[in-house]
Amino acid sequence: AQSVSQHNHHVILSEAASLELGCNYSYGGTVNLFWYVQYPGQHLQLLLKYFSGDPLVKGIKGFEAEFIKSKFSFNLRKPSVQWSDTAEYFCAVKGSGNTGKLIFGQGTTLQVKP
Amino acid sequence: NAGVTQTPKFRILKIGQSMTLQCTQDMNHNYMYWYRQDPGMGLKLIYYSVGAGITDKGEVPNGYNVSRSTTEDFPLRLELAAPSQTSVYFCASNLGQGHTEAFFGQGTRLTVV
Repeated sequence: AQSVSQHNHHVILSEAASLELGCNYSYGGTVNLFWYVQYPGQHLQLLLKYFSGDPLVKGIKGFEAEFIKSKFSFNLRKPSVQWSDTAEYFCAVKGSGNTGKLIFGQGTTLQVKP
Repeated sequence: NAGVTQTPKFRILKIGQSMTLQCTQDMNHNYMYWYRQDPGMGLKLIYYSVGAGITDKGEVPNGYNVSRSTTEDFPLRLELAAPSQTSVYFCASNLGQGHTEAFFGQGTRLTVV
């Protein structure tokens, strides 16, 4: 069965620090990968997605992610975090078939200290 | 520009009670989903639908039922609430046909006591 694993459950950073959140997936076929963000009290919003092509994808708010097929990884990065980036981050992979189902990782809570 | 709308936002149920979580979308999306979110567990798929009249079980369907009589609405029914159903529930929709970006509602926080 497909699965997604996020390595860091809780990350605390100071403003201006660099961020990298790990994500690994288990699926050997063609993958569609996503990072969603959930700000406190809000719904999930799409940060970025990878379907094909350039493995380095740019998202909103200065986030980017790199798809490394050989490592089954899709890590999220941001060079300099802000207090407003405090949120929970979810990595997800599209499930098999054509139903659009998403399989989510456990989530990483990011706390940015001002 | 409503997107995906869920009601209610919060609810407290007693064990054994029933309720329906409402979800409606105005984007004419074919695919709709119900997920539950538990701390440290990410989101798990409960049920999904690829069109009106078509529903199917996800990863954690036990204790829930759904229906999809229209493209817009996808209610989730809890018949006999149990403490294990305390969770945050998210409805999502997707245009379908290869478009895999999902749009999420604001969530319903349900507590069963």
